[in-house]
Amino acid sequence: KQEVTQIPAALSVPEGENLVLNCSFTDSAIYNLQWFRQDPGKGLTSLLLIQSSQREQTSGRLNASLDKSSGRSTLYIAASQPGDSATYLCAVSSNDYKLSFGAGTTVTVRA
Amino acid sequence: NAGVMQNPRHLVRRRGQEARLRCSPMKGHSHVYWYRQLPEEGLKFMVYLQKENIIDESGMPKERFSAEFPKEGPSILRIQQVVRGDSAAYFCASSQTGGGDQPQHFGDGTRLSIL
Repeated sequence: KQEVTQIPAALSVPEGENLVLNCSFTDSAIYNLQWFRQDPGKGLTSLLLIQSSQREQTSGRLNASLDKSSGRSTLYIAASQPGDSATYLCAVSSNDYKLSFGAGTTVTVRA
Repeated sequence: NAGVMQNPRHLVRRRGQEARLRCSPMKGHSHVYWYRQLPEEGLKFMVYLQKENIIDESGMPKERFSAEFPKEGPSILRIQQVVRGDSAAYFCASSQTGGGDQPQHFGDGTRLSIL
């Protein structure tokens, strides 16, 4: 059974600082890994999807790396802004449809 | 609006009543997934459906819960005789195909509260 862990559970940084969010998973046989953003009372917005054959994906200020053999992914957010405040979820697909989610990291960026 | 649509956004039920949650996938998507998010927990997979077929319901409780995705109309998650422990956010996602290279697009969820 795939277990996904996100550390830290919460993070508070001043505006402009870079953010580093960690995700680990127990079974390295994955199809892909996704990072989502969830705002309070809202749904999930997909940020980045990394296929198992890839090492990283980038979109604007976001960069996600994947080390499948060690079961780890890291999401980097450069030059954080107050609008980046949200909960960030990591999800792993161990077959072609079932996502296993971590509990999330709640980020607060202080102006 | 091309996104995944869920309704209602909020649903309040008394213990013993039935709850029906609806999900319309993105246009062109024929694969639907339901997830449940309990307070302070991550999302948990419940069921995966294609039109008129349940592909995998391994994450769904054996009793009181059922799901369907008819040929016409939205997917329905039905909870009979609700209990306090059913209070959660229920999310629906859809994808164009069931392949692992396809991202799942999520709706805004239905927040179910049981009195």
